[in-house]
Formats: sequence, C-alpha cells, structure tokens
Amino acid sequence: KAGVTQTPRYLIKTRGQQVTLSCSPISGHRSVSWYQQTPGQGLQFLFEYFSETQRNKGNFPGRFSGRQFSNSRSEMNVSTLELGDSALYLCASSLVQGASNEKLFFGSGTQLSVL
Amino acid sequence: AQKVTQAQTEISVVEKEDVTLDCVYETRDTTYYLFWYKQPPSGELVFLIRRNSFDEQNEISGRYSWNFQKSTSSFNFTITASQVVDSAVYFCALNPNHAGTALIFGKGTTLSVSS
Repeated sequence: KAGVTQTPRYLIKTRGQQVTLSCSPISGHRSVSWYQQTPGQGLQFLFEYFSETQRNKGNFPGRFSGRQFSNSRSEMNVSTLELGDSALYLCASSLVQGASNEKLFFGSGTQLSVL
Repeated sequence: AQKVTQAQTEISVVEKEDVTLDCVYETRDTTYYLFWYKQPPSGELVFLIRRNSFDEQNEISGRYSWNFQKSTSSFNFTITASQVVDSAVYFCALNPNHAGTALIFGKGTTLSVSS
C-alpha cells in the first residue's frame, strides 16, 4: 500500500510569491492534516480536512489556506510568502475524522525555502 | 495551557546501551491521548505508540517500552539495547479529546546511536 505522497519535495520561492503544496493520502484514508515544522517553533498544526471540508484550524494567519478534493487529495496554499514561512510542511492522513486517538501517517514533507 | 516538554534536546549513546527519552505534559482535560513519533532523516514521522489517559498500563514491545504516570504527568519512552538504526528525532505529542488531529508536539529529542 502506497504511503502518503507529498509533492514537490523541495521548493524555493521569493518573498511575496504564493505557493501550492500537494498531498495524496493513503488509499482509503479520508482525513488529511497539515503541519508546519520549523527549528524555532517545532511542529505546529495547520488544519485538518475531511470530506472536502475544513474541520479544524490551527493558529495561523489567513495567508495559509487549504482544500480537499473528492478523492481525498489535499492542497495547501500560502500567499504573500514571508521569510518566516520557510519550513518543512508535513501532510498526514488518517482513516477517520476527528478521532483524537487516531494515529497519523505522515508524508516526507515539502521543504519550502523563501528567499 | 496545553503543553508538551521534552527537556532532553540531544542524547548520544553507543550501540547496545539503554536510553530513556523523557516527556512531561500539561493539560486540564481529563480525557486525552499521548503519542510517540519517530522522525528519521527521510523526514516522515512514524507512529510508535499511543496511550489514553485512562490506560496507565505500561507496555513492552520488543526493544521498546513506555512508562505512563498520570501522577507526574510523564510519558517516558525507553529503548533497550539501542541500535544505529534507532538514530532519529523522537517526538512526544498530546491530543486532548475532541481536538481531532491537532496534536501538540514537544520540541523533540535527537537520539544519536554510534557503533
């Protein structure tokens, strides 16, 4: 069974640009979550999607957005990039939605560098 | 406030040594879930174990064991007879009930096992 796939693996952008990251969950998984990982702040929850609806959102500005498609694939978008957005963005999938005891399956992430 | 503290930033051991990774959490919720994840150099987080707040039974699984103590709000993880392949960053995480997949991660402990 294929794992969680994230594309691209690496991305370099300049300040002010926007970026779209993609995530394909494990087949059959309907919940997709996004996390940002930085050396300073560590791992922080961005949002969770289930059935094409955002179910939960972390404490990030509105420049961070996402969506989920009918096949459960998800994209996240960051507009007006800032230097501080440089991070590893991790996507995770799980079988059910909203279950706090659900184990997450993570992708290898997209490393975003903002110059 | 909900918080996870991993006081050990880095640990270095020699193969076959036992190593314990510490985790202390803070939450006012009576129902919550605790997790350990491992992040190898490839980037993806790998699920190791979960515990709910009502299950203080400690467990041994192969070379891994966990010690959950509600009285001290600790959820420590021990690797017995460490191996080079255990080298990774280990994260402890808290998920309050009804928080969906919004895990609260500690800052992680980097474990280096040398031969």
